[in-house]
Amino acid sequence: TAGITQAPTSQILAAGRSMTLRCTQDMRHNAMYWYRQDLGLGLRLIHYSNTAGTTGKGEVPDGYSVSRANTDDFPLTLASAVPSQTSVYFCASSVEGGEKLFFGSGTQLSVL
Amino acid sequence: GENVEQHPSTLSVQEGDSAVIKCTYSDSASNYFPWYKQELGKGPQLIIDIRSNVGEKKDQRIAVTLNKTAKHFSLHITETQPEDSAVYFCAATFSSGTYKYIFGTGTRLKVLA
Repeated sequence: TAGITQAPTSQILAAGRSMTLRCTQDMRHNAMYWYRQDLGLGLRLIHYSNTAGTTGKGEVPDGYSVSRANTDDFPLTLASAVPSQTSVYFCASSVEGGEKLFFGSGTQLSVL
Repeated sequence: GENVEQHPSTLSVQEGDSAVIKCTYSDSASNYFPWYKQELGKGPQLIIDIRSNVGEKKDQRIAVTLNKTAKHFSLHITETQPEDSAVYFCAATFSSGTYKYIFGTGTRLKVLA
């Protein structure tokens, strides 16, 4: 079982460009999340989705958007990237109402 | 706002010794406290968790303790092995519908052979 697949693994992006980070899960989990991980700051929630068709804002949503057209996919879009968005991005999922998070392997994004 | 403080940020122990990582949370409504282990190049993985109605939980060489009054919880790893080397994150959340975790800042554990 693949679990959660994130793509790309890493990316260098020019400031001002747009980018979509892809996340797909095959566990049929209802809830999905996007976190960013920065040194000394831990993991911070960007956006989440409790179920297909719904999304919500996390701690640090500015500059990011998400969509949840179906259960399996939860893409994260940076409309106009800025250097402060340089980070490692993790997608995660959980059974709706479940506590355990399953994480993907992450996307290392550098905005120059 | 809600906050979770985690200490130490780095910890080096000799193989076979014990390691303790401590976290303090601010939201008294928090009732679920997981610990995640992140190995190099991978996503975090749940290793143990505890709910607010329990004071201690063990799973082989790892254990978690919770002091609700002091709003402290700790991860204890005994008989450490090189494969325990990783970054460990604590988290706190209030389990009501969406689980919005507040994560600690992480502890890099190095087990020296």
